[in-house]
Amino acid sequence: AQSVTQLDSHVSVSEGTPVLLRCNYSSSYSPSLFWYVQHPNKGLQLLLKYTSAATLVKGINGFEAEFKKSETSFHLTKPSAHMSDAAEYFCVVSDRRNFNKFYFGSGTKLNVKP
Amino acid sequence: NAGVTQTPKFQVLKTGQSMTLQCAQDMNHNSMYWYRQDPGMGLRLIYYSASEGTTDKGEVPNGYNVSRLNKREFSLRLESAAPSQTSVYFCATRGLAGGETQYFGPGTRLLVL
Repeated sequence: AQSVTQLDSHVSVSEGTPVLLRCNYSSSYSPSLFWYVQHPNKGLQLLLKYTSAATLVKGINGFEAEFKKSETSFHLTKPSAHMSDAAEYFCVVSDRRNFNKFYFGSGTKLNVKP
Repeated sequence: NAGVTQTPKFQVLKTGQSMTLQCAQDMNHNSMYWYRQDPGMGLRLIYYSASEGTTDKGEVPNGYNVSRLNKREFSLRLESAAPSQTSVYFCATRGLAGGETQYFGPGTRLLVL
């Protein structure tokens, strides 16, 4: 079975400081992992995805994530937060045997202070 | 090239009323999905359609029906709305060429009184 735990429901950082959003997953098979971002009253947009190639994945807007199988983690990072990064972020896992099942974490709201 | 569109954007229903949420895509994707988003719970899969002519239940299908009208369109129907169905509903698509990536519509906000 697949599941995702986002360890923080809210994260607050100052503009220009690093961002860390934590995600742990559970998967009985080789997972694919994703981070999506949702700005207020908008749909979800893909930030980055891991599908068994390089374990360090670079995404849009300076975000990156590292797949760590031993820790079952896929944390999202950015070196320097921008005000426009304020949004809700979702970690998602999929079982590569069945691409039609995607399991979402409960989300982390990122607040960026000026 | 509109991507994934959803109608309506917002709807208020009374308990017991019915309605259909529409989703259309111009991405030529095979798979389509309906999710609901509730505060603190992420997105939960209601139904999905792996290809035209097929539909399958997701995590929370009770109270909903779906129709995959053709490759472009996937509708979600509430036959007798309940306050517990107050939520934001998202349609998503996934194409074979795009691998596992899902593309989301802008959402429909539904309030059931």
